[in-house]
Amino acid sequence: KNEVEQSPQNLTAQEGEFITINCSYSVGISALHWLQQHPGGGIVSLFMLSSGKKKHGRLIATINIQEKHSSLHITASHPRDSAVYICAVPYGGNLIFGKGTKLSVKP
Amino acid sequence: GAGVSQSPRYKVAKRGQDVALRCDPISGHVSLFWYQQALGQGPEFLTYFQNEAQLDKSGLPSDRFFAERPEGSVSTLKIQRTQQEDSAVYLCASSLVGGQPQHFGDGTRLSIL
Repeated sequence: KNEVEQSPQNLTAQEGEFITINCSYSVGISALHWLQQHPGGGIVSLFMLSSGKKKHGRLIATINIQEKHSSLHITASHPRDSAVYICAVPYGGNLIFGKGTKLSVKP
Repeated sequence: GAGVSQSPRYKVAKRGQDVALRCDPISGHVSLFWYQQALGQGPEFLTYFQNEAQLDKSGLPSDRFFAERPEGSVSTLKIQRTQQEDSAVYLCASSLVGGQPQHFGDGTRLSIL
């Protein structure tokens, strides 16, 4: 059983579209991470949030602790947003990761 | 550099060979993590260091995997007698202390032929 579930697994969008990626988790957590992984493999931390909403540029992350659900939104998507987006939750001192959502934004 | 540095970026080895993967964390970061990421999957925890102490190695898949961080900075993940199923991206991350955001390296892509 996966403690962290993401949907969709794959997402193709046209440039300019509004993107939503969802993450549900089953463990009790204090915070949730959204990460971005480009084809080269490196991972960049986008957000760490424990309540409410955070915004950074065109990226918005929301979390509902009671419902154990988080969403990552991308407004005015651009081809350079193409990457794998991974949510992760801290558990037992390390992180448990979702399988990731592969986003492709077409020009 | 200011980030987590991993080397080599790519490693190809024949089945049965030993490999060593290096992680240079951000200076001053106490916590260091190793993760294994199979193709199409999210990363999975391997092991965790706090300074030079290996506090958790529950994710190491077999006794062929060994990690060390002797001086509390650079860490090495060693895989002995490699098998094809060891092919994956190995990610290293560090954080200032446990519970703080982790900073990831670019990973080492290991291919076992």
